[in-house]
Amino acid sequence: AQKVTQAQTEISVVEKEDVTLDCVYETRDTTYYLFWYKQPPSGELVFLIRRNSFDEQNEISGRYSWNFQKSTSSFNFTITASQVVDSAVYFCALSEGYNNNDMRFGAGTRLTVKP
Amino acid sequence: DAGITQSPRYKITETGRQVTLMCHQTWSHSYMFWYRQDLGHGLRLIYYSAAADITDKGEVPDGYVVSRSKTENFPLTLESATRSQTSVYFCASSSDSYEQYFGPGTRLTVT
Repeated sequence: AQKVTQAQTEISVVEKEDVTLDCVYETRDTTYYLFWYKQPPSGELVFLIRRNSFDEQNEISGRYSWNFQKSTSSFNFTITASQVVDSAVYFCALSEGYNNNDMRFGAGTRLTVKP
Repeated sequence: DAGITQSPRYKITETGRQVTLMCHQTWSHSYMFWYRQDLGHGLRLIYYSAAADITDKGEVPDGYVVSRSKTENFPLTLESATRSQTSVYFCASSSDSYEQYFGPGTRLTVT
């Protein structure tokens, strides 16, 4: 079965610092999808991005960017010029095949951005 | 636009009791999911449903029962609650676009 590892349990940075959250995945499928979700202190889960295994282009959305590298089975997430509002738990997730019925989440990384 | 709602938001129950967590979505999404969130484990899939009357087990289904008689509802029942089922439960829904959209969660405590 697929597996997602987020080795960083907690990260603490000072506002305006850049921070990268690591995500390493394992799968035997050639077709798969990778996701990042944000869980702020209020508790809801917010979808951030989806990537399929055939698209290795990096993506940038404002201060957020994602680096997908199949060679290292990684899908890392970078926040540039972090802000206090970025404080949250971030989850990386993986689903295999052409459907998302069995999405596996990493354990999450708790990011604290201090003013 | 309500989106996806869960009820109750908080529940305390005793060991051995039956409890049902409700999930309702207004998007007419085909897929619905139940996850539990525990510290150190992220979210783990309990059950999912691809359509009304179609359900299947996820990673941790033992001790749980689901049904889906209507597209918009996907209740999760703990038939005989145990302390190990103390957790935060999230319901999610999805169309065919692969992103799952999550409800606000239900915090369940089994004493």
